[in-house]
Amino acid sequence: DAKTTQPTSMDCAEGRAANLPCNHSTISGNEYVYWYRQIHSQGPQYIIHGLKNNETNEMASLIITEDRKSSTLILPHATLRDTAVYYCIVGGMNRDDKIIFGKGTRLHILP
Amino acid sequence: NAGVTQTPKFQVLKTGQSMTLQCAQDMNHNSMYWYRQDPGMGLRLIYYSASEGTTDKGEVPNGYNVSRLNKREFSLRLESAAPSQTSVYFCASSDNRGSETQYFGPGTRLLVL
Repeated sequence: DAKTTQPTSMDCAEGRAANLPCNHSTISGNEYVYWYRQIHSQGPQYIIHGLKNNETNEMASLIITEDRKSSTLILPHATLRDTAVYYCIVGGMNRDDKIIFGKGTRLHILP
Repeated sequence: NAGVTQTPKFQVLKTGQSMTLQCAQDMNHNSMYWYRQDPGMGLRLIYYSASEGTTDKGEVPNGYNVSRLNKREFSLRLESAAPSQTSVYFCASSDNRGSETQYFGPGTRLLVL
């Protein structure tokens, strides 16, 4: 089973910020939070990851709560091209860690 | 850089036939992975290779074999295809074993009749 819980789907108006939540209440101290997205029929694409601190890159921002039990991916100005399935994943750096993608959140950007 | 490439893009097999899916990466990554994705589902890990010469089972290894031919190439073989193996297969690579950033190929769409 996936270590994370995400809403099945979300809508967001074009040009607005899209906030995608993720619960990972069983996360352990050395596990990172990763976000990927998958645009229809394509391979998944890495977005961002973090351990404790909030992170920002050219694609998105990642906000992790202080207790690390949940996080939010923020797409600051959503466009139609951001319509995709977004996967929140937790995992560490150990050899035996197995990444489990889960079903993700289907984000619809509305014109 | 081409990143991660997969061949073929599409394949139709009859039950019982065998085939090998090819994957290559040009990023000098140590780790490579094979996933399958069924309609409406997330990705499930079939096998992975943490480094050249090593392979390990993932979540759903039954019915598959893999070969890490060299650092660049990681192949997935179906010895006797079954309709339950109809899926989209993705190959990925990363710098290190674990949850390091993975780079995915475009996928191979396989239909087993």
